Parts: sequence; C-alpha cells; structure tokens
Amino acid sequence: QAGLTQPPSVSKGLRQTATLTCTGNSNNVGNQGAAWLQQHQGHPPKLLSYRNNNRPSGISERLSTSRSGNTASLTITGLQPEDEADYYCSAWDSSLNAWVFGGGTKLTVL
Amino acid sequence: EVQLLESGGGLVQPGGSLRLSCAASGFTFSDYGMSWVRQAPGKGLEWVSGISGSGVRTYYADSVKGRFTISRDNSQNTMYLQMNSLRAEDTAVYYCARSSITPWDYWGQGTLVTVSS
Repeated sequence: QAGLTQPPSVSKGLRQTATLTCTGNSNNVGNQGAAWLQQHQGHPPKLLSYRNNNRPSGISERLSTSRSGNTASLTITGLQPEDEADYYCSAWDSSLNAWVFGGGTKLTVL
Repeated sequence: EVQLLESGGGLVQPGGSLRLSCAASGFTFSDYGMSWVRQAPGKGLEWVSGISGSGVRTYYADSVKGRFTISRDNSQNTMYLQMNSLRAEDTAVYYCARSSITPWDYWGQGTLVTVSS
C-alpha cells in the first residue's frame, strides 16, 4: 500500500517557522485531509490536528494546518526546543479502505 | 480518563503466533473504531489493521492480510490482534489507538513484538 510522502528531515532555528508537507492523492489527503501527529523518542504519537485544522484541546496555537489539493501542510511558528520531534501525517484512503501514514519528518530545532 | 493498555507482546520464533490485547477504559468503547499501528525499530508508523465499533467491519494492511486477525469484545472493552505466521519483519512496537470520530486522539504505550530465532 502506497503511503503518504513527507520530507525525511527539516531543520530550522529557534523562534523560526517550520512548514512540513505531506503529499498523497485524491483518495486520501485530497479527499478528507490529513491528521498530524508528533512523536518524541520513546513515546507514543500525539495527535496535533485532524481534518482541516481541528486541534485537540491543549495543542499549542503555534501550530496550524492547511491543505492544497493533495498536499497537506503543518506550520509551526516560534519554534521551541520541545518542538524537536518526528512528525507524521495520516489519512484514510477510500480506495484502499486503509489508513495510510507518511514516512515521517524529523524536525530539528537549531 | 481515556486509557488504552496493550499486552501480549514478547519474543516468538519465525512462523510462530502471538495474540495482542488492548484493554480500553474511560470511554464508550463500542462507539469507536479502533486500530493497531506498529513501529519497527528506528522506523516510521505503519497502520496494521482496523475494526469498526460494532466489530462488523475489519480492515488490514496488505503486509499482514491473511496472517493477522483483528477482533473485539465490546462487553470486555478489549480489542485483539491474532498474529500468525510471524516473520522477522513483523518485529515492532505495536500500538492500539482510537481511529474514528477524532482519529488517533488516544494511543496506548505499546507492546514490543520480537520475531527471532
């Protein structure tokens, strides 16, 4: 099953803005958008956003998401050391009847 | 408080079987579709299997179809993953997570499955 495409790594400086991308197709990201998850080493993933910028309670307002066609984006402003983590996108694929994940982006805060 | 607790992982030889369990609490279990997601050492997340709230509909990744079986017992608030014909590439931490309504909002801590001789 084809997954979603994410850049393997992104590096930005402290207090800068990082934009992470996730590309799928019309059956997944282009259909219902993507969820974004953050994972710190040794911990389970944590939901950051789902379907068109819905943020669970407690998630920082420095995070926002958007979608253009088959590509979803996660933008984190004012980067902090605790933002350094792996970020995954996920979407339901209506053609495969399966959830698909991106390969993950490792965000480094310099 | 929502809690998901996986159990049943361990060391198994290639070709062997294991049954994972995910005990849920703090929410109406039958209202939610659930999934198993795994993460091989140093690798990304891979969805393995999902099941509807009622248990009627089940879904599998191609990599496990025909070898793994997902099920749930809503009277016991527990989901299962029966894993047969295990291979070295099945070695991973297996997480259970809610995958409907607000997908991926709660995850367990994971249980490690190691397939090795």
